[in-house]
Amino acid sequence: TQLLEQSPQFLSIQEGENLTVYCNSSSVFSSLQWYRQEPGEGPVLLVTVVTGGEVKKLKRLTFQFGDARKDSSLHITAAQPGDTGLYLCAGGIQGAQKLVFGQGTRLTINP
Amino acid sequence: EPEVTQTPSHQVTQMGQEVILRCVPISNHLYFYWYRQILGQKVEFLVSFYNNEISEKSEIFDDQFSVERPDGSNFTLKIRSTKLEDSAMYFCASLPQAGYGYTFGSGTRLTVV
Repeated sequence: TQLLEQSPQFLSIQEGENLTVYCNSSSVFSSLQWYRQEPGEGPVLLVTVVTGGEVKKLKRLTFQFGDARKDSSLHITAAQPGDTGLYLCAGGIQGAQKLVFGQGTRLTINP
Repeated sequence: EPEVTQTPSHQVTQMGQEVILRCVPISNHLYFYWYRQILGQKVEFLVSFYNNEISEKSEIFDDQFSVERPDGSNFTLKIRSTKLEDSAMYFCASLPQAGYGYTFGSGTRLTVV
């Protein structure tokens, strides 16, 4: 059974600080997706990474897929209160049409 | 931007009753999914549907569950005899082809009493 562990589960920092959220597994994934989920809503896709070592940037957010495709990180530069939310990583399983989700990181950015 | 639409947004049902959760995926998408999220827990895969048939299902998706795409636009999840532990948010998702990111609907909050 493939598992994804996110850390930290909760993070509260001040506006303007930088942060990194990690998503780790002992399994290899064909892709790694990051979502943001607001209360009472479905996950909204932020990015998909598919190649080991791949780095993608979305404004102040930088996503990296590990070389071995077992882990990923989300780095936010100069965090803003609007970044507050639940961030989920999800791994695509080779040959299967499904995602395995991490438990999420609840991020709070204080003004 | 195209959306996945789910109805109802909330459903309360008595234990043992049948419920049908409805989804309208994005029109040119080919792969359809149901996931669920019990309060405070991870998002869990239930079933994937492609080419008018189930392509994969999880252990959760037992004989009480079924899916249909009756008319080429709607995608439904039926729970035949609901249990208390079926209470969760149910999310429909679709994607245009394998390997792309999913578009999720806003979910149906199912409460079994």
